[in-house]
Order: sequence, then C-alpha cells, then structure tokens
Amino acid sequence: EAQVTQNPRYLITVTGKKLTVTCSQNMNHEYMSWYRQDPGLGLRQIYYSMNVEVTDKGDVPEGYKVSRKEKRNFPLILESPSPNQTSLYFCATEKTGTGATGELFFGEGSRLTVL
Amino acid sequence: GQNIDQPTEMTATEGAIVQINCTYQTSGFNGLFWYQQHAGEAPTFLSYNVLDGLEEKGRFSSFLSRSKGYSYLLLKELQMKDSASYLCARSGYALNFGKGTSLLVTP
Repeated sequence: EAQVTQNPRYLITVTGKKLTVTCSQNMNHEYMSWYRQDPGLGLRQIYYSMNVEVTDKGDVPEGYKVSRKEKRNFPLILESPSPNQTSLYFCATEKTGTGATGELFFGEGSRLTVL
Repeated sequence: GQNIDQPTEMTATEGAIVQINCTYQTSGFNGLFWYQQHAGEAPTFLSYNVLDGLEEKGRFSSFLSRSKGYSYLLLKELQMKDSASYLCARSGYALNFGKGTSLLVTP
C-alpha cells in the first residue's frame, strides 16, 4: 500500500529541546515537502526537496531544518523549538516527471505542542 | 500567499447542492487544486483544473476560469460525511493553499 508515514503523530515538548519529526514514503517519489497548518492561516510550506540532496525553503522556514540523504526519507528538525512552533505538521510527496499530475500525497500529520 | 480567497465557513442541508468559490492571482498561474480535509486528518485530493471549464467527478465538480482567476467546487446530493474543510490550492511558481472553507452539512 502506498504510504507516507510520519512519526511521532503527537508530541508535547518543552522550549529548546531539539526534536525531529520523521517522514518516510514508499511511493518512490522524488519530491517531498513539509507543511504546517494553523487555524486561520491554512497550510503553509516550510521546506521542500526536489530530489536527494536538494532542498529549498518554502514560505515559513525559520526555526526549521531538513535533510534529504535518501529518496524515501525527509526528516524535519526543530533545533530549538519555541511555543510559536506549536502546530499540526504534514509531510507530503508528489510524483514528478512523466505521468505527473501535481497531486500531493499527505502523511497523517504530526501534532506538536511546545510548552 | 498569491491572494487566494475562499469563504471561511458555509452551511448546507443534506441532499442539497453547495458551491464553494475560490479566487486567486492570475500571474504565473498553472492550475488549481481542490483538496478535502476532515477534522484531524490529512488533506485528500479531489480535483485539478488546468483548462477553462467544468470537470465532473461523481457528486463533485470543479470549474475554472483562468482569465477571471476564479474556480469553484460544486458538491451535489450532499451527505453528512461531506462535512469537512475544502482547500483551494493554486499551482504556479509554487503551490499555495487558501485558508480553507469549513463546510457543515446539517440534517
């Protein structure tokens, strides 16, 4: 079954304690991205990756890092989380190249609370 | 981003028809997506319009006017399970989402 898997699904942490949200996909998609979703603001892109070792900033990259060492994984790193990073995070993948439709396939979401 | 506007909330009755509008900035525009998102879940793809006109897919249809920067999602024969947030997303230099329209279907 085609899947985009995020972990953890829920996390409560404290300010300044580094954390990583993992994202793994078995769809062999080259494009992966991270979004955060906040009430009244909608989905906003944090970072995206067109391919292995290629990453770029989205609309709201401040306070986040990513890496793309292999095609299937695209972890989101919060080096020093702050309360304003409390949000619902989604990882997404997209098929690019021949047969591409532009459709995003989302993970189930990770709800992060920073105290 | 990209001035994507859609109503915040809508309410409709089971069995009825509802139209959710979306306007967007036309410069650099490629296409328009609609996603459905139930509370606490991930968005799921509904439609993608590139050309002008109406595309029908079962109870859901999506319309696009490129020159007017306008799209709508039409939901027919509403069911209670259609209560969800509907996200309009503009594809251009990047993919930008609107803030979503929360649809409540009442008995």
